[in-house]
Amino acid sequence: KAGVTQTPRYLIKTRGQQVTLSCSPISGHRSVSWYQQTPGQGLQFLFEYFSETQRNKGNFPGRFSGRQFSNSRSEMNVSTLELGDSALYLCASSSLGAPTEAFFGQGTRLTVV
Amino acid sequence: DQQVKQNSPSLSVQEGRISILNCDYTNSMFDYFLWYKKYPAEGPTFLISISSIKDKNEDGRFTVFLNKSAKHLSLHIVPSQPGDSAVYFCAARGLGGNEKLTFGTGTRLTIIP
Repeated sequence: KAGVTQTPRYLIKTRGQQVTLSCSPISGHRSVSWYQQTPGQGLQFLFEYFSETQRNKGNFPGRFSGRQFSNSRSEMNVSTLELGDSALYLCASSSLGAPTEAFFGQGTRLTVV
Repeated sequence: DQQVKQNSPSLSVQEGRISILNCDYTNSMFDYFLWYKKYPAEGPTFLISISSIKDKNEDGRFTVFLNKSAKHLSLHIVPSQPGDSAVYFCAARGLGGNEKLTFGTGTRLTIIP
């Protein structure tokens, strides 16, 4: 079974631009979550989608948005990029039921210059 | 408000000895706890989990202990091996099928050969 796939792996953008990151979950997984990892901050939850609906949202500004498609693939968008948005963005997918674990992709390393 | 805390940013352990990583949480609504291991430039990989109805769970060299009254969990690795050198994240999930994970800031474990 293929794992969680994130594209692109690396990205360099300029302040003020916008960026779209993509995540393909494990086949059959309907929940996709996004996290931001920065040094010293651990993993911060951005949002979670299930069946094309946002179920949970973290404490990030409205510049961060996402969506999920009918095939469970998800995208997240960051508009008006700031230097502080430089981070590793991780996507995780999970299936329903208990107990469950989230399976992570390798992440997209975004650098804002 | 850090609901999941890993107070030791780093830990060094001799190869073959026991590694003990600690995690504290403040939210009594958390009912499921997970440990993830992360290598640089990769996504976290699931290690072991424990439900709040248990106080111990073992998987090979890894054992997780949960003390609900103290809101504390720990991960024991015995014996420690050089390949265990990585950053370890503790995570917690709330009730009701909520797929959001709340992560600690991580502990960097270094195994000394």
